This record gives sequence, C-alpha cells and structure tokens, in this order.
Amino acid sequence: KQEVTQIPAALSVPEGENLVLNCSFTDSAIYNLQWFRQDPGKGLTSLLLIQSSQREQTSGRLNASLDKSSGRSTLYIAASQPGDSATYLCAVEGNQGGKLIFGQGTELSVKP
Amino acid sequence: GAGVSQSPSNKVTEKGKDVELRCDPISGHTALYWYRQSLGQGLEFLIYFQGNSAPDKSGLPSDRFSAERTGGSVSTLTIQRTQQEDSAVYLCASSVVRTGELFFGEGSRLTVL
Repeated sequence: KQEVTQIPAALSVPEGENLVLNCSFTDSAIYNLQWFRQDPGKGLTSLLLIQSSQREQTSGRLNASLDKSSGRSTLYIAASQPGDSATYLCAVEGNQGGKLIFGQGTELSVKP
Repeated sequence: GAGVSQSPSNKVTEKGKDVELRCDPISGHTALYWYRQSLGQGLEFLIYFQGNSAPDKSGLPSDRFSAERTGGSVSTLTIQRTQQEDSAVYLCASSVVRTGELFFGEGSRLTVL
C-alpha cells in the first residue's frame, strides 16, 4: 500500500530565504508525482507535475525534483515571499492510474 | 466554465438526512475525482470517473455513499443517512486525461449536527 510522508509538518522562515520541502513515498512504481498548494479554506492549486521518466520540473521560483528509485521528491522554493505562505502537498499516482495518494502536507509560513 | 465548480459551498444538515453535493468539471475534462478532507486526516480518495464510468470507487467509506456522472460532465456525490463523522470538506477535481494535471474546485464543506 502506497504511503506518502511529508517533512517537516510545519516550517516558518523569514522572507527571502531559500527553502526545501520533502516528500517520500513507499512504492516506487509511480506514474507521476504532483505538488499542490492549498490556501486556508480553499481548494488545491497544482504547482508542478513530474512524470516518472522525468527528474525535475521548474516553474518560476519553484523547482521540484524526483528520485523514483529512492522514493523521494523535493520542492525547492527560491527567495521566499509572504505570499508563499500556504500548505504544500505532494501526491503520487500509481501505475494503475486514476487515484492520487496525498501526503499530510507542510504548512509554510514566510514572515515579512 | 473557467474552473471546477462545486455546490453548495457550505451545507449544514441534521444527522440521518441525505445530502447531495454537485461538481461541474472543466469543459472537456474526461476524468473526475472526489476527495474528502477532514481536519487532521489529510486528503482521502473517494471515487474516480473516466467519462461516465467509475473504474475505481474503492475509497467510498460505506454503502451510504454513492456517486454518479452524467453526460461525461456533471457529477453528484450522495450521502444517505448522514452521520457526524461524515463532516468534512468534499473536494472535486478534474483532468484532461486520467494521468494529467488535476484541477480542484473550492470544495463543499459539510457539517452534520
């Protein structure tokens, strides 16, 4: 059974810092991995989608890497801003497709 | 529409009543998903539709829960004889294809008194 773990559960940093959020999964037979952002009381917004054949994806100040063999992904946020404050979730889709398994999320707070 | 639309945004009901939650996916998206988010529980998969059929309904918690999708578009999640433990935010998502990027709605917050 696939399990997804995110560390740390919460993180508080001053504005301008570069930071890394970690995601690990127990079954390496995945089709893709997605990172999402969730603001309080809102739905999820997709940030990056990495296919299993890819090593990383970049969008603006965000970079996500995937090491399928070790069951790890990281989300790197450069030059953090207060507007980045949110909960970040990673999710993996198995080779059967159709169902994403989510981690518990990392709650990020960026202080001005 | 521009995004995934869910209604109602908030629903308060009494224990034992039936509720229906609606999801209107992005036009042209063939795949539709229902998730449940409870306080401290994370996101829990409920059911997935490809077109009008549900290849995976393994996450439905009990036979009180059912869902359907018609015309390859709108989906309805029905909870019969609601219980207090059904209180949660029910999130719907859609994607162009089964393995594509997911777009989520804002959710329907259900409170069972």
